[in-house]
Parts: sequence; C-alpha cells; structure tokens
Amino acid sequence: RKEVEQDPGPFNVPEGATVAFNCTYSNSASQSFFWYRQDCRKEPKLLMSVYSSGNEDGRFTAQLNRASQYISLLIRDSKLSDSATYLCAVGGAAGNKLTFGGGTRVLVKP
Amino acid sequence: NAGVTQTPKFRILKIGQSMTLQCTQDMNHNYMYWYRQDPGMGLKLIYYSVGAGITDKGEVPNGYNVSRSTTEDFPLRLELAAPSQTSVYFCASSYSGGMRETQYFGPGTRLLVL
Repeated sequence: RKEVEQDPGPFNVPEGATVAFNCTYSNSASQSFFWYRQDCRKEPKLLMSVYSSGNEDGRFTAQLNRASQYISLLIRDSKLSDSATYLCAVGGAAGNKLTFGGGTRVLVKP
Repeated sequence: NAGVTQTPKFRILKIGQSMTLQCTQDMNHNYMYWYRQDPGMGLKLIYYSVGAGITDKGEVPNGYNVSRSTTEDFPLRLELAAPSQTSVYFCASSYSGGMRETQYFGPGTRLLVL
C-alpha cells in the first residue's frame, strides 16, 4: 500500500458546481497535512494547510479525519481557473519530510 | 525576491553522462529539498538539507549527490545518468522544518536521459 494515495481522476466538474476528493495516508503518526495545487508543467504551490479542526479559505475547505486516516478538499462554486492537479502532502512532526500523493486532476468545464 | 530558481529548464543527457542541476533561493531559508516527479506521480524526496554543510538522504537518493556549501545554493549532481532518471526535478526551500512550514518550489528542470 502506498503511503499517500489519491484518486487520479480526472474529476470533470461543471462550472459553479462543488467537487470534493480525498487523500488517504497510511502512517498514523503523521502530524502535518497540506494541499498543493499544480498547474500543467508547473511547480506545486501551497493551496492550504489542513488543521485538525478543519479549515476554510474562501471557496476551499479542507478536513482531516484522523480515525480513518484521510484528508479531504472541497471546492465550492468551481471556476474554470480551478482546473489543475491537487496534490496532498503528509509529514511527520517535523515538516521537513513530506510524502506526496500522486495528485487528483480536476477539470472545470463551462 | 526571485524565490527559488533552477537551471537549466530542460536538458537531454546521454546514458553515462553526468550533470549538475542548480538551485538557488534568496529567501534566507535554512531548509532545502530536491524532489523528482515522474509522469502522473507524486513528488519523491531525493535529498534535503537543514542548513549549510548538512545534508541527508530522502526516499530515492541512489544515483544522486548533493552539497550545501552556502545557505542559498543546493546543487544536485547526477553521476552516470540512466534512463530511469528521466524525470522533472523540483528544488524547494522552507524557513525551517516546522510542522506548519510552507515549502516553496522552483520551476523545475526537465531531464531526458537517452
């Protein structure tokens, strides 16, 4: 089993709709969780950290479920510009060693 | 600030050749990292450094070497290039290794080994 797994997608989403996807992790000792966004042939950029109580940043909501060992990302009111690959990253107590999932591709269509 | 810069952007190597991928950051970050990303895959950590003069192996270090003589620079050396090293290489940096620290990535170097 991979350490960090994601559904590769693509998730085809009508503009304005809501989309959500998960990322599962195998190491129960993991302490830090992040969502990165990666556009085609570009570098990953941090979208948001994921906090234990869940957190929201505009149209994006991240949740952590420690019992089932997954994090989720929900995008509301999807925009065409949200089309990208979303990578989850999981780290230990020290964030310097992150393990990335393979990414979930999201395509928002008019 | 330029952030994290990488050179070259793209390179074709023949099997057995060697090369150095350059990475520089101007954010005075202590931690630096090298990742590789194969098509459709996540990033895998090759090496990282917690400060000048200190480096350590990541998940996939075989076939690579690094050095960190200054805070700003973290070059990655490929010796005896193999087709399995065809990948996109990303350098990243963070101020510290703390749990909430953001890693900032460079634009990547695409390497093709033929």
